[in-house]
Amino acid sequence: KQEVTQIPAALSVPEGENLVLNCSFTDSAIYNLQWFRQDPGKGLTSLLLIQSSQREQTSGRLNASLDKSSGRSTLYIAASQPGDSATYLCAASMDSSYKLIFGSGTRLLVRP
Amino acid sequence: DTGVSQDPRHKITKRGQNVTFRCDPISEHNRLYWYRQTLGQGPEFLTYFQNEAQLEKSRLLSDRFSAERPKGSFSTLEIQRTEQGDSAMYLCANPRYTGELFFGEGSRLTVL
Repeated sequence: KQEVTQIPAALSVPEGENLVLNCSFTDSAIYNLQWFRQDPGKGLTSLLLIQSSQREQTSGRLNASLDKSSGRSTLYIAASQPGDSATYLCAASMDSSYKLIFGSGTRLLVRP
Repeated sequence: DTGVSQDPRHKITKRGQNVTFRCDPISEHNRLYWYRQTLGQGPEFLTYFQNEAQLEKSRLLSDRFSAERPKGSFSTLEIQRTEQGDSAMYLCANPRYTGELFFGEGSRLTVL
């Protein structure tokens, strides 16, 4: 059974810092992995999708990597801003069904 | 704006009452998903539809829960005889042809 873990549960950094959020999964036979952002009381916003055949994806200041052999994905945020403060969730899919298995998220606070 | 609309955004009810949530997705994809998210956790898969057919239900979906998608467009999720443990955010999602899953803003249920 696939399990997805995100550590740390919370992170506080000063504005301008580059940071890495971690996501680990137990079953390396994933189909794809998606990163989301969630603001308090809101739904999820898709940030990046990495297919199993890909090693990384980039969007603006965000870069997500995938290493299936080690069961890890990382989300790199460059030059963090207070507006980046949110909870970041990763989710693994084991097939094309879109039944995602989520981690519990990392709550990020970027201090001005 | 993900194009997935959910209503109501927040519902407060007393234990034992019935509640219904509605989801209106962008009709780009014929699949529609329901997830549930409790405080501090990532979303968990509940059920999904392809057109009007409900193809899979999670074991989390007890027989007090029923979901429909009568015309293959909007969907409803009904909870009968609500319990305090049903308090959660109920999220609807719709895939895009990019492979990403796009979520609505969610319907937050509080059972008193």
